[in-house]
Amino acid sequence: DAGITQSPRHKVTETGTPVTLRCHQTENHRYMYWYRQDPGHGLRLIHYSYGVKDTDKGEVSDGYSVSRSKTEDFLLTLESATSSQTSVYFCAISPRISGGGQETQYFGPGTRLLVL
Amino acid sequence: EDQVTQSPEALRLQEGESSSLNCSYTVSGLRGLFWYRQDPGKGPEFLFTLYSAGEEKEKERLKATLTKKESFLHITAPKPEDSATYLCAVRTGSARQLTFGSGTQLTVLP
Repeated sequence: DAGITQSPRHKVTETGTPVTLRCHQTENHRYMYWYRQDPGHGLRLIHYSYGVKDTDKGEVSDGYSVSRSKTEDFLLTLESATSSQTSVYFCAISPRISGGGQETQYFGPGTRLLVL
Repeated sequence: EDQVTQSPEALRLQEGESSSLNCSYTVSGLRGLFWYRQDPGKGPEFLFTLYSAGEEKEKERLKATLTKKESFLHITAPKPEDSATYLCAVRTGSARQLTFGSGTQLTVLP
């Protein structure tokens, strides 16, 4: 258990409404990520963070914004949700690498978002 | 542009029938190749990280290998509980960003 929680786990919303997804970690890791997963596309990076208030865009960032005001929380906001943003959203963290350890990312349980 | 291609898209095996999944990649300087397992409705679960050609790692019935252009995930004598989608990814940025392939959906029949 990498200590990652996501909320909400499921959400149904309407086109044009703002939506915020939350990722919370308990381990104080520096790097955090937001991905979306769609059939046929695998996981695609939306935004990532390399520290408090330090964020950058990923491959599919249009229509999304993020904020990280505390080490433990990384928020993903859909400013005005569209049907094309219906997806499963995963948060991930990348722990500090200790001697002889492997670099990796650990994923949260996901948020299923349906935009009607 | 960094690209990851996995094949086959889907694979059905009988219990005990060994096989391999393929991950081919195009990156400008590999800084890590990752294998994950994903069960339906859950987040990806980390399996292996490989860094250089010739490297191999094993975990139970799984063995991952790496060449300069591709990686293989060998599954020896699979069991039904090995059924899952297997994802391959490469590290593509200084902040450890990953680029994923589309995955191979493995079904092991009893």
